[in-house]
Amino acid sequence: GAVVSQHPSRVICKSGTSVKIECRSLDFQATTMFWYRQFPKKSLMLMATSNEGSKATYEQGVEKDKFLINHASLTLSTLTVTSAHPEDSSFYICSARPGRSYNEQFFGPGTRLTVL
Amino acid sequence: AQTVTQSQPEMSVQEAETVTLSCTYDTSESDYYLFWYKQPPSRQMILVIRQEAYKQQNATENRFSVNFQKAAKSFSLKISDSQLGDAAMYFCAYRSRNNDMRFGAGTRLTVKP
Repeated sequence: GAVVSQHPSRVICKSGTSVKIECRSLDFQATTMFWYRQFPKKSLMLMATSNEGSKATYEQGVEKDKFLINHASLTLSTLTVTSAHPEDSSFYICSARPGRSYNEQFFGPGTRLTVL
Repeated sequence: AQTVTQSQPEMSVQEAETVTLSCTYDTSESDYYLFWYKQPPSRQMILVIRQEAYKQQNATENRFSVNFQKAAKSFSLKISDSQLGDAAMYFCAYRSRNNDMRFGAGTRLTVKP
């Protein structure tokens, strides 16, 4: 089956620093990638949708200047949390879909971010 | 905006028994997809089953089946012959034609030996 990887799996950083999370589709080309945030014992909340080569579309309430998303290739999307604060601590999950009409999304294993 | 509601925060089932998890959704669209995902403690999202809205036949995957009631906007998941490995968070999800996937709040399933 299709595999999506995320790196790192967990990261701890100091408040005010920036953190980059990578999401890769390993055996397929992902025209669309999604970034979700999940708080403990909560559901996945869609943060943004990105299509390769174009700007990401952010959900209402998500600061695009704080959560920078780059989808530079068909196999790689990055999420950069800029000037991280403790309230940004969360579990971030990426998801990728092979094609616009394909009805399944494949999920990465997630990245746990802890901001001290 | 589409919403997905899972009204059961927690469910429990005896091993080998059957359990049904509920999900309702709200949409004005006629063409969409519905999914059930399993999230074990590893936090990896695993697709359990999916249903295309235009298909009247309920989807089935081994011990997992759905009861899709389009008019009622209901999409329940039935797990038969429950196994200890079925214990996890289960999320109902909706995907519309504009490609956004939305999740319900989740149901934590416990399987008792």
